[in-house]
Amino acid sequence: KNQVEQSPQSLIILEGKNCTLQCNYTVSPFSNLRWYKQDTGRGPVSLTIMTFSENTKSNGRYTATLDADTKQSSLHITASQLSDSASYICVVSAGNNRKLIWGLGTSLAVNP
Amino acid sequence: EPEVTQTPSHQVTQMGQEVILRCVPISNHLYFYWYRQILGQKVEFLVSFYNNEISEKSEIFDDQFSVERPDGSNFTLKIRSTKLEDSAMYFCATTQQGAFTEAFFGQGTRLTVV
Repeated sequence: KNQVEQSPQSLIILEGKNCTLQCNYTVSPFSNLRWYKQDTGRGPVSLTIMTFSENTKSNGRYTATLDADTKQSSLHITASQLSDSASYICVVSAGNNRKLIWGLGTSLAVNP
Repeated sequence: EPEVTQTPSHQVTQMGQEVILRCVPISNHLYFYWYRQILGQKVEFLVSFYNNEISEKSEIFDDQFSVERPDGSNFTLKIRSTKLEDSAMYFCATTQQGAFTEAFFGQGTRLTVV
């Protein structure tokens, strides 16, 4: 069964600190992996999209990694800001399917 | 920056009533999707739409649901007879080239069935 699991479920950090969020997936055949940021009550916003051949991709203070062999991805946030408080969702696209398989997300709270 | 627009932002309806959720896709995008998110749960795929027809749908998308592009611009999701369990955030998303390109999401419609 295609699944995406994320950890931790929630995380609290102090402003300015770094953090790393984890994503494990069992999706076959793998097409691409995305990280989305979702503010409460809003639509998801894309941070990165990574294909099978990409190991690392950065978008400002966000850096995503992908290990296609172990089927793991991480999202590293550097020098966190209060506005980073949101849910971060890992999403995997399977083969030629047009649907995306969603994780439950990690709820990040950045405190002053 | 182009964006996906959804209306209304919040809809309250009585059980058994019909609701229509509206989405205006980004103009040069060809693939349209509806997703829903029940409070505290994962985002769930409902349906994808391309070239004026459904290309894929999930098991959630039963006969109570339908989609169409009535005027070539709006993309609508209709729920014929709402149930309490249809209460959720409904997101419209669009992509330019399908599943392999970035998906842009609208702000969502919060549907509350009472």
